Amino acid sequence: DIQMTQSPSSLSASVGDRVAITCRASQDISNYLAWYQQRPGKPPKLLIYGASTLQTGVSSRFSGSGSGTEFTLIITSLLPEDVATYYCQKYNRAPFTFGPGTKIDVK
Amino acid sequence: QVQLAESGPGLIKSSQTLSLTCSVSGGSISDGDYYWSWIRQPPGKGLEWIGYIYHTGISYYNPSLKGRVTMSVDTSRNQFSLTLSSVTATDTAVYYCARVYSAYHNWFDPWGQGTPVTVSS
Repeated sequence: DIQMTQSPSSLSASVGDRVAITCRASQDISNYLAWYQQRPGKPPKLLIYGASTLQTGVSSRFSGSGSGTEFTLIITSLLPEDVATYYCQKYNRAPFTFGPGTKIDVK
Repeated sequence: QVQLAESGPGLIKSSQTLSLTCSVSGGSISDGDYYWSWIRQPPGKGLEWIGYIYHTGISYYNPSLKGRVTMSVDTSRNQFSLTLSSVTATDTAVYYCARVYSAYHNWFDPWGQGTPVTVSS
């Protein structure tokens, strides 16, 4: 099965900072990648699919890029409401695996 | 807009069979190309996809669960269900149901609020 990794596992940044999270797949998954935000005590929320397509209603401060085995989620101008754990998920074929998550907090 | 809500026993004993139901509102479970999925999250850990089902009953399960999973769908009640047999403490988790965009675009949106399940010895 394809394994997903994320880096860093956690980070602390200031309000207004630009934040980048990397997700890597152990094999080529083309652009079959989604990103989710999970705030504490809440279910995950879809942010991006197709590696770079922003889900309707999601803030344009979020953007995604990449293809093949390396992907990036960017949050421009970090806000306190962005405190959450972010997960990538590959969906080229089952089983649909999630990355281990990146926890973001605000300094 | 579509909303999902999980329901289940909360607490179950080891070796028993867990049964959970997801109720879909704001749309029909038979609409379009949507599939319907279960995902779980052990306390303080990441997300594990369990499987999905189509309204016709076609299903696919994560092989990691080694044949313990069965899903079913009840279109008349607009619900789908998960059965997990021979549970152990490692099955303790929050169980989420979610809609899958399609058979070839397997991202999850929206999600239910989740139902916690604790397996006791």
